[in-house]
Order: sequence, then structure tokens, then C-alpha cells
Amino acid sequence: NAGVTQTPKFRILKIGQSMTLQCTQDMNHNYMYWYRQDPGMGLKLIYYSVGAGITDKGEVPNGYNVSRSTTEDFPLRLELAAPSQTSVYFCASTTWGLFEGTQETQYFGPGTRLLVL
Amino acid sequence: AQTVTQSQPEMSVQEAETVTLSCTYDTSENNYYLFWYKQPPSRQMILVIRQEAYKQQNATENRFSVNFQKAAKSFSLKISDSQLGDTAMYFCALGSSNTGKLIFGQGTTLQVKP
Repeated sequence: NAGVTQTPKFRILKIGQSMTLQCTQDMNHNYMYWYRQDPGMGLKLIYYSVGAGITDKGEVPNGYNVSRSTTEDFPLRLELAAPSQTSVYFCASTTWGLFEGTQETQYFGPGTRLLVL
Repeated sequence: AQTVTQSQPEMSVQEAETVTLSCTYDTSENNYYLFWYKQPPSRQMILVIRQEAYKQQNATENRFSVNFQKAAKSFSLKISDSQLGDTAMYFCALGSSNTGKLIFGQGTTLQVKP
């Protein structure tokens, strides 16, 4: 299993440009998440999905859009990039549940570093 | 609103000694999970330890253990026999039992000195 993969690893955008950050997982996880991490800070949830066709906003959704057409993929769309969106973006997935004795947790991708100039 | 607070921005410890990182949280949910994640310079998020709120027994994972005080909403991480490879940023996180959403603290940078 490759786990959670993210592309690209690094990208520079000009103000006003748009782009899509790709996230794919091969673990058949139903729950997927997008977080952003600003320098020296903790991660903040942007959007999440509990299954194909179902998405919901997190703490900081403004300026972003998501879709979930398949179990495996959860792309994050940035429209009209702004310098405030300079950050490292992490995608994560899990089989969330309350199964005692199992170790469900969120598996994180390696991150995408985005610089908006 | 759910919050997680880590009040120690930076800490240091000598190799082979013990260090404790603090975390407090607030939630209105009855069922939730607590985590400690390690983030080395590579930026990869690595799970260190996990605690289910409905379990009274503190979780342990080799050199890592937690002190979970549910009434005080406190969740500290103890690292025993610290190793140079433990140098990293550590995040405390609160997980919703319904959606799995994680709320992270601000992080504590730990340096292990030789």
C-alpha cells in the first residue's frame, strides 16, 4: 500500500491563480480530511468527507472547495490564490469508528508546500 | 467549541532523561479521542500515542506514556529515556468520535541534547 499520496510536493502560485491539490489513498478509507499548517503552528481543518459524495466544512474553509466523487480521491481546489493561503497542506484518511482494540487513526500524506506570491 | 492548548512552546531534555509535555483541552462531547503526534523536520505527521476518553487506563507505547485526567481535561505526554531521534515538534490533538475531525494544539518543540 502506498498509503496517502499528495501531489504536487511544492508549488509557487501567483496571486489570483487557481490550482488543485491532489490527494489519493489506497486503503479504502471512508473518511478523508484536508488540513493546513502555517509556519510554527498546529494543523487546522479545511474540509472533510465521510464518504463519496459527502463533504463538509472545517475550521478554515474560505477560499477553498472540495469534491469527493470516489472513495480514493479527495482533491482540494484553490480559487483566486491569496498570500494568506501560503501554507503546508496535509491530506489525511481514516476508517473512523469505535472498534475497541483497533488502532484507527488518521494517516497523513507527506504534505504539499504552497507559496503564493 | 472544542479547543486544545499546549502551553509550552519549547522544551529541552538531556539524552536518556525523562520529559513531560503538557496539553489541556475542552470539549462538550462525551466520547472523544486524544492523540499525540510527532512532526520531525521532514514534516511527516507520525502518531505517537492514542487515548480513548472512555478508557480510564492510561495508554502506553514503549517509552511513551500519557497521564489522562478526564475531569481536569488534561492529557500530558511522558517520554522516558529520551533519544536524539525524539527531537521534533509534538502536537496534542482532540478527535471527534462522530466525524474523526482533529483539533490540534499549537505544538511544543522538543530538543533532545546529547
